[in-house]
Amino acid sequence: DAGVIQSPRHEVTEMGQEVTLRCKPISGHDYLFWYRQTMMRGLELLIYFNNNVPIDDSGMPEDRFSAKMPNASFSTLKIQPSEPRDSAVYFCASSSRGVTYNEQFFGPGTRLTVL
Amino acid sequence: AQSVTQLDSQVPVFEEAPVELRCNYSSSVSVYLFWYVQYPNQGLQLLLKYLSGSTLVKGINGFEAEFNKSQTSFHLRKPSDHISDTAEYFCAVSDRGSQGNLIFGKGTKLSVKP
Repeated sequence: DAGVIQSPRHEVTEMGQEVTLRCKPISGHDYLFWYRQTMMRGLELLIYFNNNVPIDDSGMPEDRFSAKMPNASFSTLKIQPSEPRDSAVYFCASSSRGVTYNEQFFGPGTRLTVL
Repeated sequence: AQSVTQLDSQVPVFEEAPVELRCNYSSSVSVYLFWYVQYPNQGLQLLLKYLSGSTLVKGINGFEAEFNKSQTSFHLRKPSDHISDTAEYFCAVSDRGSQGNLIFGKGTKLSVKP
């Protein structure tokens, strides 16, 4: 398996623009997680899905952030409009409770810079 | 609610010296325990995990950790460090009956100096 795939790897945008981050989980995994990592706040869980259904979105910072999982092999995290304080590395991870015993497999991350 | 405490935010050591990174967790139920490593500008990768059985768990790159239920700890150890071990290390806990999410500690930055 190719592992968790994220795109783009780097994104530079201007304040006010819409940003869409993409994630393809490992085939067969039924959980998908979105994290944000910054120097100041460390690693934060934003939202996670089980079988494509959002389970907990309490970590989503504000209404400018939204996440979808239209099918088992694809998820998006959208920021609209983006702000400089959204600059961070965004990680996607997937797992299978029954197979991996909640071990999460992380993608390489998307480094977002909002100017 | 579960929580994870990594007692040291930064640990500097010299090459070939032993190191211990401390992790304590809080949970009222049985747990799975994990250590992840993040090298600079990379994602997190699994170092080792405790699911059940032997309380001493061996992982990649010569690391090991010991699950201590009475002290609710899962400290990470390596007898002899290399400069290449310089990275950030995250301890994580999961409730065996949970929905599947992990609770991560805030991380410990290990700096191995020559």
